[in-house]
Amino acid sequence: GQQVMQIPQYQHVQEGEDFTTYCNSSTTLSNIQWYKQRPGGHPVFLIQLVKSGEVKKQKRLTFQFGEAKKNSSLHITATQTTDVGTYFCAGLTTSGTYKYIFGTGTRLKVLA
Amino acid sequence: DAGVTQSPTHLIKTRGQQVTLRCSPKSGHDTVSWYQQALGQGPQFIFQYYEEEERQRGNFPDRFSGHQFPNYSSELNVNALLLGDSALYLCASSLGLPGTQYFGPGTRLTVL
Repeated sequence: GQQVMQIPQYQHVQEGEDFTTYCNSSTTLSNIQWYKQRPGGHPVFLIQLVKSGEVKKQKRLTFQFGEAKKNSSLHITATQTTDVGTYFCAGLTTSGTYKYIFGTGTRLKVLA
Repeated sequence: DAGVTQSPTHLIKTRGQQVTLRCSPKSGHDTVSWYQQALGQGPQFIFQYYEEEERQRGNFPDRFSGHQFPNYSSELNVNALLLGDSALYLCASSLGLPGTQYFGPGTRLTVL
């Protein structure tokens, strides 16, 4: 079946360091969404990417959608303790069905 | 403007029992999707309701069923509970298919 993998699974960084998580799908995606889930919380929508090669920025966060629409990345510049949480990508299938396949997630810990 | 609400917050059941979880979508949203999130995992798509019909379904057995009401609220029913059904059950609402998903706080189900 269709799979969406994320690497790394865990990342510990010192506050101020940069962080990147990568999302890879086994098949081409219609679009991709990114979510952040704080410990004990629920996924919160961050952004949606639709076009091949699209890059979007939100303050210290940069999101990119690959040219083949099979991979994506989230980069955080100068991490802060408030960035702690698990980051998930969710890819929309292209098979005519409207369902999102969530990635395995990257858990980020920021050390002060 | 109320966000997505879910009830109950927590639930404890024993094997073989049945459970019903409820979700009220964000105001103005007409589509509800249900996800199961096991500890340390990404959300797994169960099914999606639009116009009171199940539109998409993930790889979950028939023990998992649902319903959408005319006011767009939704229920998730799980029969013959297994220990492996213990998880956080998330409801996400959106406007149309596919839309940006807004998640509720979830229902934590524990099966003993």
